[in-house]
Amino acid sequence: NAGVTQTPKFQVLKTGQSMTLQCAQDMNHNSMYWYRQDPGMGLRLIYYSASEGTTDKGEVPNGYNVSRLNKREFSLRLESAAPSQTSVYFCASSERGGLTNEKLFFGSGTQLSVL
Amino acid sequence: GENVEQHPSTLSVQEGDSAVIKCTYSDSASNYFPWYKQELGKGPQLIIDIRSNVGEKKDQRIAVTLNKTAKHFSLHITETQPEDSAVYFCAASKTGTYKYIFGTGTRLKVLA
Repeated sequence: NAGVTQTPKFQVLKTGQSMTLQCAQDMNHNSMYWYRQDPGMGLRLIYYSASEGTTDKGEVPNGYNVSRLNKREFSLRLESAAPSQTSVYFCASSERGGLTNEKLFFGSGTQLSVL
Repeated sequence: GENVEQHPSTLSVQEGDSAVIKCTYSDSASNYFPWYKQELGKGPQLIIDIRSNVGEKKDQRIAVTLNKTAKHFSLHITETQPEDSAVYFCAASKTGTYKYIFGTGTRLKVLA
């Protein structure tokens, strides 16, 4: 019953460093998402992948890139980290995505600090 | 742009009392309204959802009501228990989009 697994759980970066957040789901879901959570701002969509082989921008894509490696895995890359990217990052998945609005399954999050 | 406003930001209730959290959405085309509960150190989990063709939905101590005319929906928790303490998020979405617009969250504290 792993569901959505994110790594790492915590990360500290210096400004300008790069890193990749990993996400994998074992529910055979088609759609995957990356959100960031900031105090007082709720959850905001960074990028999503409607299905294997496709990716699209969400509300706040600047400074990020994504890769849908296969149906299970969806990674988020920060090429040159900035303090404004300090946040908690959540990966999520859903069975069929926007075709029918449905439940999102979230991972446990990655707490990222950029100094 | 699309927006979901959520109130209150914090809510404290005595154990056994009821709690109500309210959300207002801006996009009249929205037709799906989920509620998520986030416990400390965990990701959000869906607790109940409602679609625009329904006015109310209940699941044990939890209920959601929807007023399409006023574009607002509410979460009602009755007989609150300490384990209900968490942050609750409302969201709005519409068919054909992969984008869920989330509210800013309500921190609920149930006092024993």
